[in-house]
Amino acid sequence: DAGVIQSPRHEVTEMGQEVTLRCKPISGHNSLFWYRQTMMRGLELLIYFNNNVPIDDSGMPEDRFSAKMPNASFSTLKIQPSEPRDSAVYFCASSPMAGQSYEQYFGPGTRLTVT
Amino acid sequence: GQSLEQPSEVTAVEGAIVQINCTYQTSGFYGLSWYQQHDGGAPTFLSYNALDGLEETGRFSSFLSRSDSYGYLLLQELQMKDSASYFCALYNQGGKLIFGQGTELSVKP
Repeated sequence: DAGVIQSPRHEVTEMGQEVTLRCKPISGHNSLFWYRQTMMRGLELLIYFNNNVPIDDSGMPEDRFSAKMPNASFSTLKIQPSEPRDSAVYFCASSPMAGQSYEQYFGPGTRLTVT
Repeated sequence: GQSLEQPSEVTAVEGAIVQINCTYQTSGFYGLSWYQQHDGGAPTFLSYNALDGLEETGRFSSFLSRSDSYGYLLLQELQMKDSASYFCALYNQGGKLIFGQGTELSVKP
């Protein structure tokens, strides 16, 4: 299995620009999670989906952030407009349906730098 | 809300045993997970405790005491490659994980 795939691996953009991060979960996994990691705030859950439906978006910092999962094999996290404080590593993770497995499989992450 | 506390850094020598503690505050949760993250890499799953007691997986063991709101990760026969950050996390309904701030383990020769 290819594991969780994220793109791009690195993104450098200017403040005010739109940023779209992409994630392909492991085939057959029903749950998908988006995390953000910074030195100050650690590893934070932003939003998660079960069977393509957003379940909990309480971690999304503000309206500039949005996430979609149009099908079982693809999800996006969009930041519009981006700000320097959004600079972080963004991880996508997937897992089988909750209760079937407790393990989350993380992608390699997207390192975002907003200047 | 939920919160977890871990030591920020731990240092140990190769071949030794090290314990990384985790205390938490929550009104409810399903279990306690542990993840390892090497510098610049993705977090990887190590273990999960749904019930009180010890879970063993090779050189790694994890413990949970719900009555004490406490858990730990025990690493035996330390190797240089074990140098990494270790995170405890509360596992909740729907698979939602809330992570601690992480403990950076340095293994010295």
